[in-house]
Amino acid sequence: NAGVTQTPKFQVLKTGQSMTLQCAQDMNHEYMSWYRQDPGMGLRLIHYSVGAGITDQGEVPNGYNVSRSTTEDFPLRLLSAAPSQTSVYFCASRPGGGEGNTIYFGEGSWLTVV
Amino acid sequence: EDQVTQSPEALRLQEGESSSLNCSYTVSGLRGLFWYRQDPGKGPEFLFTLYSAGEEKEKERLKATLTKKESFLHITAPKPEDSATYLCAGRWGGDKLIFGTGTRLQVFP
Repeated sequence: NAGVTQTPKFQVLKTGQSMTLQCAQDMNHEYMSWYRQDPGMGLRLIHYSVGAGITDQGEVPNGYNVSRSTTEDFPLRLLSAAPSQTSVYFCASRPGGGEGNTIYFGEGSWLTVV
Repeated sequence: EDQVTQSPEALRLQEGESSSLNCSYTVSGLRGLFWYRQDPGKGPEFLFTLYSAGEEKEKERLKATLTKKESFLHITAPKPEDSATYLCAGRWGGDKLIFGTGTRLQVFP
């Protein structure tokens, strides 16, 4: 059971480039989300999805797009990378059926925008 | 605005020296209080969920408790392998967790 898998682990982008961070989970979880972690600020929610075909914005959505075409995958797209998007990105998932269910995180993707 | 505040920012303990980490939160409407452990270069690893005041949960040397306005993570007789950053998060509705900035714990032999 692989859990939540993120790729790539590390990426360096030039300002203005676009890229996609991949996230896949094999637990048949309904809910998936993306967080970013910056020093001194804690993890902040970027976008989330409550099921295939349904997405919504979190706390810091600007500059990012998401889609959810399957239950398993939830890619995060950076449209035009900016240095402010240098961060560690975590994908997370949880089963449906109630808000108390535990959220499980992937291992993270380290992104540097130069 | 819903908030989670953790203290201290950093904690250095001698092996075997018990202590507690604090997490205070916005009281109104809390639907769950979560504790995670995060090792350098890794994602947060789930430890506990607490739902109501008075609730306690234990796992090895860790015990999490919840009062009406704060949560504590008690570490009994810590070992060097307990060194990590401990994150507290609250959920007030929907699928959004609000995280504190964490307590970085170092346990020395």
